[in-house]
Order: sequence, then C-alpha cells, then structure tokens
Amino acid sequence: QKEVEQDPGPLSVPEGAIVSLNCTYSNSAFQYFMWYRQYSRKGPELLMYTYSSGNKEDGRFTAQVDKSSKYISLFIRDSQPSDSATYLCAILTGNQFYFGTGTSLTVIP
Amino acid sequence: EAQVTQNPRYLITVTGKKLTVTCSQNMNHEYMSWYRQDPGLGLRQIYYSMNVEVTDKGDVPEGYKVSRKEKRNFPLILESPSPNQTSLYFCASSWGTGGRETQYFGPGTRLLVL
Repeated sequence: QKEVEQDPGPLSVPEGAIVSLNCTYSNSAFQYFMWYRQYSRKGPELLMYTYSSGNKEDGRFTAQVDKSSKYISLFIRDSQPSDSATYLCAILTGNQFYFGTGTSLTVIP
Repeated sequence: EAQVTQNPRYLITVTGKKLTVTCSQNMNHEYMSWYRQDPGLGLRQIYYSMNVEVTDKGDVPEGYKVSRKEKRNFPLILESPSPNQTSLYFCASSWGTGGRETQYFGPGTRLLVL
C-alpha cells in the first residue's frame, strides 16, 4: 500500500469554480501535511502546510486535515486560469517526505 | 536571490557511464534532498541529508549515491546508470529541525539513459 494516495484527475473547471483536491494517507504517525503546486516544466513550490486537524486558510486556498479519517484536502475558491497546474499533496514524517502522484488542474477562462 | 540550482538541466547518456548531477543552495539550509519524478509514480525521495556528512536513504535509493561535504552542495551520483533511471530529478532544500516542511525545489534535471 502506498503511503499517500491522491485522486489522479485530471480536473477541468470553469473560471470562478470551487476546486477540491484530495489525498488519503496510511500512517497515523505522519506529522506534517503539505500542498505543493507544480507548473509545467518547473519544480514544485510549497503552497501551504499544516500539522493539525482542521482548516488552515491562506487567501483563496484552504487546507483541511482530518486525522481520524487520514484524509487531506485542498480547496481553491474563485479559481483562476493561473491556478492551472499540477497539485501535489505531501506528508513529512521524521525526516522523510512522501508525495502523492499529483492532480492536474485546468481552469478554463 | 534565494534559490536551488541544478546542473545539468538536460542530460543524455549511455548505460554504465558514471555521471554526477550537482545541486547547490544559497539559503544556508541544513536539510537537502533528491527526488525523482515519474509519470504515475509521482515524486519519490531518493536520499536526504540533515547536515554536512549526515545522509540517509529515502524511498528509492538503489543505484544512487550522494555526499554532503559542504553545507551548500549535495551532488547526486549515478555510478552505473541504467535505462530505468531515466527520469526527471529534483533537488530540494529546507531548514533543519523546525522548518523541514518548507522545501525549496530546484528547476529539475531531465535524464535520459540509453
């Protein structure tokens, strides 16, 4: 079983839509939960991180963690064409990172 | 400008010919890491380093070596590359304890092994 499973997509939404991206993880010892955004032919860049259950908001982005269900989500409000990218969930436990396979998102103007 | 640099950005080589991909960061980060990214498999950690002379295996270390002789540099060595090491490689860095979650990634190195 993979440490982190991510809905593969791809997702295609109209501009202004609310986007929901999801991952599940297997190990309840995981400590930090992160979301990265990766544009085509670029390295990933960190969007948000959290270490506790609940919601964390940053502008149009909300990261949600449910440790009891081992489920993490990223919500994007008022999606923009510039949000078109691949989104990667990631988990840090100890000194080691585990990434999901990524969800490709296209926001259509 | 704070950044992680990798060289080369593109590399075509043949099976068995030793190669090194360099990684350098200018942020004085303790933690550095190498990943490979493959379609359908995502990003997988190869090796990481908590500080100078401290390295450890990630998820997929077979066929790779690393060294950390200076804080800013973390080269990835393929002693005898094989076609299954054809991939997109990323180096990343972050602070050590109390900051590892904020990783900065390099631009990537695309490797083709024939």
